[in-house]
Amino acid sequence: QSVLTQPPSASGTPGQSVTISCSGSSSNIGTNYVYWYQQFPGTAPNFLIYRNNQWPSGVPERFSGSKSGTSASLAISGLRSEDEAIYYCAAWDDTLNAVVFGGGTKVIV
Amino acid sequence: QVQLVESGGGVVQPGRSLRLSCAASGFTFSSYGMHWVRQAPGKGLEWLAVIWFNENENYGDAVRGRFTISRDNSKNSVYLDMTSLRVEDTAVYYCARGRDRVIGHWGQGTLVTVSS
Repeated sequence: QSVLTQPPSASGTPGQSVTISCSGSSSNIGTNYVYWYQQFPGTAPNFLIYRNNQWPSGVPERFSGSKSGTSASLAISGLRSEDEAIYYCAAWDDTLNAVVFGGGTKVIV
Repeated sequence: QVQLVESGGGVVQPGRSLRLSCAASGFTFSSYGMHWVRQAPGKGLEWLAVIWFNENENYGDAVRGRFTISRDNSKNSVYLDMTSLRVEDTAVYYCARGRDRVIGHWGQGTLVTVSS
């Protein structure tokens, strides 16, 4: 059971938008930055969003992050077939003194 | 450009020990916290440990007391010493550079298989 809660899957057709939620608590998302990662099968995760809504260089702005209270979300606009991957949220937890992850959301295009 | 290269994975019997290494380049290693994360086959990401720039450490519940993280700034390397290995420790182990107490860049991972 993951500390952060994500839906197991989300789907959309090419060109549509899809939003993935990430629910936590006051000790993690409520007080710390949320990060998002993208992982393709058989490869390492890629750093997608940092500090709730910032893009590392090279990440298209079709991916956007937001945070409100103890929840965060990742939105993918203009969905493409190459966006099919598993997406994870993460944050530092001040009570556990640990990085906590969501269980991952598989996006199907 | 940030590069993290893990090594030391392989097949090990239950109860034995193993040391993973991660060689870092492309950034000022001593200024960053370094993490280990693992992913069991078909499962999600599980955070294991972090060693901060000041060499303080934190561990996840699943490995506290069995695994030890360490670093050698002179070699730009971070290590994970794993003892009393169990079948359920079978996973790909990733080294990662810290950012805001979370994780930025990841290595490519090294597979550890615990089997008799």
